Amino acid sequence: SYVLTQPPSVSVAPGKTARITCGGNNIGSKSVHWYQQKPGQAPVLVIYYDSDRPSGIPERFSGSNSGNTATLTISRVEAGDEADYYCQVWDSSSDPSGVFGGGTKLTVL
Amino acid sequence: QVQLQESGPGLVKPSETLSLTCAVSGYSISSGYYWGWIRQPPGKGLEWIGSIYHSGSTYYNPSLKSRVTISVDTSKNQFSLKLSSVTAADTAVYYCARGVPDSSGPVPFDYWGQGTLVTVSS
Repeated sequence: SYVLTQPPSVSVAPGKTARITCGGNNIGSKSVHWYQQKPGQAPVLVIYYDSDRPSGIPERFSGSNSGNTATLTISRVEAGDEADYYCQVWDSSSDPSGVFGGGTKLTVL
Repeated sequence: QVQLQESGPGLVKPSETLSLTCAVSGYSISSGYYWGWIRQPPGKGLEWIGSIYHSGSTYYNPSLKSRVTISVDTSKNQFSLKLSSVTAADTAVYYCARGVPDSSGPVPFDYWGQGTLVTVSS
């Protein structure tokens, strides 16, 4: 089965740029989606199809995907961005599956 | 505005079947899109359980496939999850969600329910 690897934690100072990675074998050939989840809340889709932003998501959120790594970039980080972030892909192998990464806790210092 | 609401027992005994329903408002399931179930054990990450298309075709997580059934009831505008032979490892918050419009597959999900905690214990 396909495996997505995320760092457990990322820390960033307010106003700086946070980069959260999602690693997978040739992930650049797949579409990557990113969710933000705050404590006690349902996840929110922040980036889909590698770099598209749903309506209502600030332009500070962007995404890229190439080779074996996809990246969620949050510019001008705010305290309200502190959350868990999950990447997801659709693995269309012989046994298709919607795989999630293990999640990254973003801490705003 | 699309809204999803999970419902079902909050406590299930080991070896029994977990049954949840997701009621959808603000959109007719029969009009299209994928509809999915995702779970999150306490303090852990997200796990995709499975998805169903409005026509009834399904995809299941290979690790749960033998125990999972997802169905849709367009007359009630809801879809359901059944997970059989549950153990303590199935204790989790269970979410239902809608697949994004015009997606080439069952993911990603743009609208989510608030989630419901299901505990497996005798």
